Amino acid sequence: GNSVTQMEGPVTLSEEAFLTINCTYTATGYPSLFWYVQYPGEGLQLLLKATKADDKGSNKGFEATYRKETTSFHLEKGSVQVSDSAVYFCALEGSQGNLIFGKGTKLSVKP
Amino acid sequence: SAVISQKPSRDICQRGTSLTIQCQVDSQVTMMFWYRQQPGQSLTLIATANQGSEATYESGFVIDKFPISRPNLTFSTLTVSNMSPEDSSIYLCSVVLGLAGALLTDTQYFGPGTRLTVL
Repeated sequence: GNSVTQMEGPVTLSEEAFLTINCTYTATGYPSLFWYVQYPGEGLQLLLKATKADDKGSNKGFEATYRKETTSFHLEKGSVQVSDSAVYFCALEGSQGNLIFGKGTKLSVKP
Repeated sequence: SAVISQKPSRDICQRGTSLTIQCQVDSQVTMMFWYRQQPGQSLTLIATANQGSEATYESGFVIDKFPISRPNLTFSTLTVSNMSPEDSSIYLCSVVLGLAGALLTDTQYFGPGTRLTVL
């Protein structure tokens, strides 16, 4: 069945460092792909999404490109801030319209 | 987007009791889901709440343990029955916008969650 494999955390970076969080998927067809973020003490929020191959989702300086060839949707940001500290979840759309989540990657950014 | 509220926001319950969690949306939505997020874990789908019919449960979840109601397009409840400490989790509802039969978006919006602790 469909599944998502996400880079294990935690990830600790210094402010202004480059961020990559790897995400690969297994799916039938070409489902929409998502990155959700969960800030400390807050609910889950959509960060960005891509609905078809080669689409690039972007938001708040984060980017991810839907790569059909490598079945990947890696999250990147050129310069992280302390306020980016959160747990990031990669997800794909399931057959019922639900979401199938990766295990989450906790990011800590130090000043 | 949609504004989703959940009640209660948190609760501490005794083993063997039941808790009903409410999810209210400010607009009519096609699809509503219930997820569980166990401590330090990812989100796992419990069931799809179907309006006017029985919920569709994922493998490992059963109606007797997690009865769900969805009387209309803006409201659903999830009950955690006969609780044990293993049920301690955050329970979240999510929605996909659109009227019945017409999805407006594939994006899911999540409620703030209900943090349940079972002693």
